[in-house]
Amino acid sequence: QQQVKQSPQSLIVQKGGISIINCAYENTAFDYFPWYQQFPGKGPALLIAIRPDVSEKKEGRFTISFNKSAKQFSLHIMDSQPGDSATYFCAANNQGGKLIFGQGTELSVKP
Amino acid sequence: EPEVTQTPSHQVTQMGQEVILRCVPISNHLYFYWYRQILGQKVEFLVSFYNNEISEKSEIFDDQFSVERPDGSNFTLKIRSTKLEDSAMYFCASLGLAGVGYFGPGTRLTVT
Repeated sequence: QQQVKQSPQSLIVQKGGISIINCAYENTAFDYFPWYQQFPGKGPALLIAIRPDVSEKKEGRFTISFNKSAKQFSLHIMDSQPGDSATYFCAANNQGGKLIFGQGTELSVKP
Repeated sequence: EPEVTQTPSHQVTQMGQEVILRCVPISNHLYFYWYRQILGQKVEFLVSFYNNEISEKSEIFDDQFSVERPDGSNFTLKIRSTKLEDSAMYFCASLGLAGVGYFGPGTRLTVT
């Protein structure tokens, strides 16, 4: 019940394309859903996050879509760039609780 | 922007030795965490710390591991009698009231 399942494991997108990464959770007590971006040799960095009272949040080229009834959320990267190539982790937690991470998606954006 | 810092960036130790990984969380945060990431794998929760005590720990966090916040600023992870399989990146994180988690740059632990 504490799991967050993430797919796909790896993703190759052409420059300018849309990257879509999906996550599903089970614990309905989760109330905070961040996405982290991790470059090789670095720690995960917060990219964008959403709470379940909204269905979508957009920051620049990055959008989170949230479906509370399906217990799913996804990250969309519009106009993907080679600099976006990184590993992306979805996560979930409830207030003060530990962050539970998905398995990660290795995104490669080809020029 | 405030940040979480970790030292050392890379620690090499022999199997059976003790290591201490250090972290300085963001000063006004209340919740502190250690995570581990084995090369190429996902980030795994080890332990959470609140109000000067462990609030939750994973199955990975057995008697070999301990944490403490000795002086109100540093947050340390001690690994006693290290094993080869302890080789990983160890990340410290802190969580503010808004629930936003910030990670440090990590310590790469290599056990030989």
